Amino acid sequence: EPEVTQTPSHQVTQMGQEVILRCVPISNHLYFYWYRQILGQKVEFLVSFYNNEISEKSEIFDDQFSVERPDGSNFTLKIRSTKLEDSAMYFCASSRERTGEGGYTFGSGTRLTVV
Amino acid sequence: AQKITQTQPGMFVQEKEAVTLDCTYDTSDPSYGLFWYKQPSSGEMIFLIYQGSYDQQNATEGRYSLNFQKARKSANLVISASQLGDSAMYFCAMRESGGEAGTALIFGKGTTLSVSS
Repeated sequence: EPEVTQTPSHQVTQMGQEVILRCVPISNHLYFYWYRQILGQKVEFLVSFYNNEISEKSEIFDDQFSVERPDGSNFTLKIRSTKLEDSAMYFCASSRERTGEGGYTFGSGTRLTVV
Repeated sequence: AQKITQTQPGMFVQEKEAVTLDCTYDTSDPSYGLFWYKQPSSGEMIFLIYQGSYDQQNATEGRYSLNFQKARKSANLVISASQLGDSAMYFCAMRESGGEAGTALIFGKGTTLSVSS
């Protein structure tokens, strides 16, 4: 079964450092997303990406965040200067249809710890 | 106002019994989708079932069924014949119609299901 692959599975970084979280969405999917889940809390939307541009973003997705699809397969989330409160599980997701009827497929997540 | 409400922080069920996890939603959009995801302790998010707002019949996927009551704005997940491996956090989520470029999923706070033998 096709899957969304995320690397690394865990990352520890110092406050103020830049991190790049990587994702390889399912190859025939067109819509890509990043979500985050602070420990013990609900999953929150960060950003959606379609046709090589951001289509929607939440208020969490401020200037510290950026996304890129550099080579047609990878989809990355960059946090420029990490803060303690950025510690969370970050999920990449993709879908084939705009409506997500086949389900949004999530990766296994990257657990980011900022110290 | 909460878009997705899951009122049961925790549910307990015995193996082989059925369990219903509650979800109510709030939207004025006539076109929306409802999703259930399972999150085991390992952390990944596993898609279980989808219901579109215009679907006439309740969605079913194996042991999972979605009890969709549109007028009540509820989308409860029913798991039949519970198994120990069903122990996990369950999230209800909604997607509104948005524009052409995809839409975000809005999640509830989740329900922790514990299945005992």
